[in-house]
This record gives sequence, C-alpha cells and structure tokens, in this order.
Amino acid sequence: DIQMTQSPSSLSASVGDRVTITCRASQYISNFLNWYQQKPGKAPNLLIYTASSLRSGVPSRFSGSGSGTDFTLTISSLQPEDFGTYYCQQSYTTPSWTFGLGTTVAI
Amino acid sequence: ELQLVESGGGLVQPGGSLRLSCAASGFSVSYDYMSWVRQAPGKGLEWVSVIYSGGSTHYADSVKGRFTISRDNSRNTLSLEMNRLRPEDTALYYCARDLIVGATPQAFDIWGQGTIVTVSS
Repeated sequence: DIQMTQSPSSLSASVGDRVTITCRASQYISNFLNWYQQKPGKAPNLLIYTASSLRSGVPSRFSGSGSGTDFTLTISSLQPEDFGTYYCQQSYTTPSWTFGLGTTVAI
Repeated sequence: ELQLVESGGGLVQPGGSLRLSCAASGFSVSYDYMSWVRQAPGKGLEWVSVIYSGGSTHYADSVKGRFTISRDNSRNTLSLEMNRLRPEDTALYYCARDLIVGATPQAFDIWGQGTIVTVSS
C-alpha cells in the first residue's frame, strides 16, 4: 500500500494567517491526490481533487499544488470556520485508496 | 439534494455479524461507484470496499473474505454485510460516492453521516 505522510500533525494559527499543510506519498502518484476537511462529529468534506482542482462551492482561499510524491494544501487567509482536521488521500492505486493521518488546525 | 443516510450500526460480539445500509437520494447508486470508508475512534480514515457501476467489487485486505458489499437498485441503497467481526472493526462507517473525473474514480464527493459499529464482548 502507498503510505501518505502529513505534516505537521497539528498546528495553531490566527485568523488571517497563511497556512500550509504538506503531504508526501511513499511512491509516485502523479496528481492523484485529494484533500478533505473534517469537523468534529461530521463526515469529511472534499475540498481539492487531482491535486489542484477546487471543488465547486469551496472557498477560493483553499488551494492545492504538487505532483509526483510531494503535495501542499494552502489556506491563503485562515478563517474561523476553517478549524478541523485535514486529510490527504491518494487515488493512484485504484481501488485501494489510502489516507494520511490528518492535520488538526486550531484557530 | 444529493444525500446518503446510513443505518444498521450497533454493538455486536466478536465473531458476530451486522448488516449496514445506506440510502441514497438525488442520484442513483446503480450508475455510480459507491464505497464504504471507516474511521476508528480517534483515528484516521480507512477505505473498506467499493462497488462499481458494472457490479465488480473490491475490498481492503483487512476485511476481505469477511465483508460483502452490494446494492439494491430498486431501493437505491448500498449495503455492507459484515461477518466474523473483530474488535478492530470498531469504527464509524461511512458510505460515500466516488467522484468520477474523465471516466476515472478520483475521490469521495458525497458522504453520509456515518453509523457506529462497536465490536466488544
């Protein structure tokens, strides 16, 4: 299985800060990388797919980049509602998709 | 509105069985790729199983031979039959729809609220 490693595991930032979360795959996955946000007690919500495509309805302050093995999720200006846990997920080895362990963002 | 609603979770003893259901609305499970994803308490997300629109099924190694995914097109529901349950199967189980981009499944775009399965004596 492809292992997904996220860093940091948690962070605390202030409203308006630029926040960056990284995700590294244990092997090449092209751009088959997705990002989700999960709030406590809720299901994950897809933010970014294929590394950099913003899902319809997701605020433009969220962006994704990367290819190969190294990827980044950036929140350009952190908002109070952006707290939660962010997961990366690879979809290169269909159907056995794997997730990172998550990055918890506290405001 | 596109929606998924899971049911069927509960407390079961090790070695027991449970059947989860997921009712879809706003789209047809028969035309889409549908998956189960689970999340152990305080842990990350783990893909469990998928059924493709053509009917083929796939499973994570951790559940292969014990879990069976199926769908009922007439009721527009997805199911997960879980047998020989183990304590490590304890988790919140989500059903999810696969997002298809260029005829290729890419991500999970629609999720249910989840149903809790607890395996304990």
